[in-house]
Amino acid sequence: GQSLEQPSEVTAVEGAIVQINCTYQTSGFYGLSWYQQHDGGAPTFLSYNGLDGLEETGRFSSFLSRSDSYGYLLLQELQMKDSASYFCALSDSGAGSYQLTFGKGTKLSVIP
Amino acid sequence: NAGVTQTPKFQVLKTGQSMTLQCAQDMNHEYMSWYRQDPGMGLRLIHYSVGAGITDQGEVPNGYNVSRSTTEDFPLRLLSAAPSQTSVYFCASIRDGMNTEAFFGQGTRLTVV
Repeated sequence: GQSLEQPSEVTAVEGAIVQINCTYQTSGFYGLSWYQQHDGGAPTFLSYNGLDGLEETGRFSSFLSRSDSYGYLLLQELQMKDSASYFCALSDSGAGSYQLTFGKGTKLSVIP
Repeated sequence: NAGVTQTPKFQVLKTGQSMTLQCAQDMNHEYMSWYRQDPGMGLRLIHYSVGAGITDQGEVPNGYNVSRSTTEDFPLRLLSAAPSQTSVYFCASIRDGMNTEAFFGQGTRLTVV
């Protein structure tokens, strides 16, 4: 099976930088994804790392290290609208299913 | 382009009742999934499909059935609702195995009393 661990809550100041870490255990996976979910809304895709290293998309960056079973999401120039829950997820390589296994989520609160 | 459409958005059931949650996507995606989300638990996979006519169980399949007769539709059936099935349900689709961006429906908030 697969399991992912991420902090349950993080608080950061508007305009600052915040890093949300994700550690995982798996017997095989294609990549690590990040999703954002606002209260009452649906998860939306943010970023994907299929290879080790850093992927940058605007204010968001994501990193993966397969040797350390570790990844993170970096949010820069925080805005109030970034207050949401963030989930890391593994793409399962077992049986060709490509299904996602999610962490329990990190609730980010951005304060003025 | 509607994406992934789920109906209904809200539902209250009595224990023992059955119902079907509808999910349709218009993006011609091969992979479709159903998740449930409970407070503090993240999203847990119920059932998934890798194409029309092919379904398989996820992490928490008990009490649910699915079918995939067409590429577009992937309904989730609750056979005999129980209070433990009170949750928010999300349907998701992925274009194919190498495209890992999942598109989610807006969710169905189900309460079983």
